[in-house]
Amino acid sequence: EDQVTQSPEALRLQEGESSSLNCSYTVSGLRGLFWYRQDPGKGPEFLFTLYSAGEEKEKERLKATLTKKESFLHITAPKPEDSATYLCAVKGATGGFKTIFGAGTRLFVKA
Amino acid sequence: DSGVTQTPKHLITATGQRVTLRCSPRSGDLSVYWYQQSLDQGLQFLIQYYNGEERAKGNILERFSAQQFPDLHSELNLSSLELGDSALYFCASSVPTGTSGPGANVLTFGAGSRLTVL
Repeated sequence: EDQVTQSPEALRLQEGESSSLNCSYTVSGLRGLFWYRQDPGKGPEFLFTLYSAGEEKEKERLKATLTKKESFLHITAPKPEDSATYLCAVKGATGGFKTIFGAGTRLFVKA
Repeated sequence: DSGVTQTPKHLITATGQRVTLRCSPRSGDLSVYWYQQSLDQGLQFLIQYYNGEERAKGNILERFSAQQFPDLHSELNLSSLELGDSALYFCASSVPTGTSGPGANVLTFGAGSRLTVL
C-alpha cells in the first residue's frame, strides 16, 4: 500500500534561516510526487510535481528534490509569509487512481 | 479562486442527522475527489469519480456515499452523523486522464466545507 511520511511535524525558523522538510514515501510505480501548501482553513494549493529520481523544481524560495525513497523541500531564506503547512503526496501505478497525502509539516517563520 | 466550488462553507448539525456536501469541479475537469481532514489527521482520501463513474475508493465509511452527476458536479452524503465526523471536507478536481504536461495528475482543491457535529 502506498505510504507517505513527513518530518518534522512542526518546524520553527527565524526569518532568513534556511532549512529542509522531508517526505519519505513507499509507492508501486511512481506516477508523481507532489508538494502542496495549505494555509489555515483553506484548501491545499499545488506547488510542484516530481516524476523521477534526480529531478528538481524551483519556485521563489522553494526547491523540491526527489530520490527513489525521499523528497525534500528546501526553503532558502524564508519569510513570515512562508508560514503554512506543507503537504507531500504520491500517486502510484497501483491502488487505483488515488493520491495519498502525508500528515504535513507545519512551518512557522518568525520575523 | 481555484475554480472548484464547494457548498456549504460551514455546517453545524446534530448527531444522527444527515447532510449533503456539494462540489462543482473546474471547467473541463472530469475527475472529482473527496478528502476528509480532521484536526488530528491529515488529508484522508474518501472517494474519486471520473466522468460519472466511481474510480477509486479509500477508507470511506458505509454511512457516507457520493455520486457524480451528468453535469459533473458531485455530492457527498453523510448520514447517521457522529461527533467524530466533525472535520473539513475537501473536494478536488483534476484534468482528464491521459493529459500530459505540467498539470497532469495535479489536484485543484476547493475551499472546503467545515462540518461540526454537536
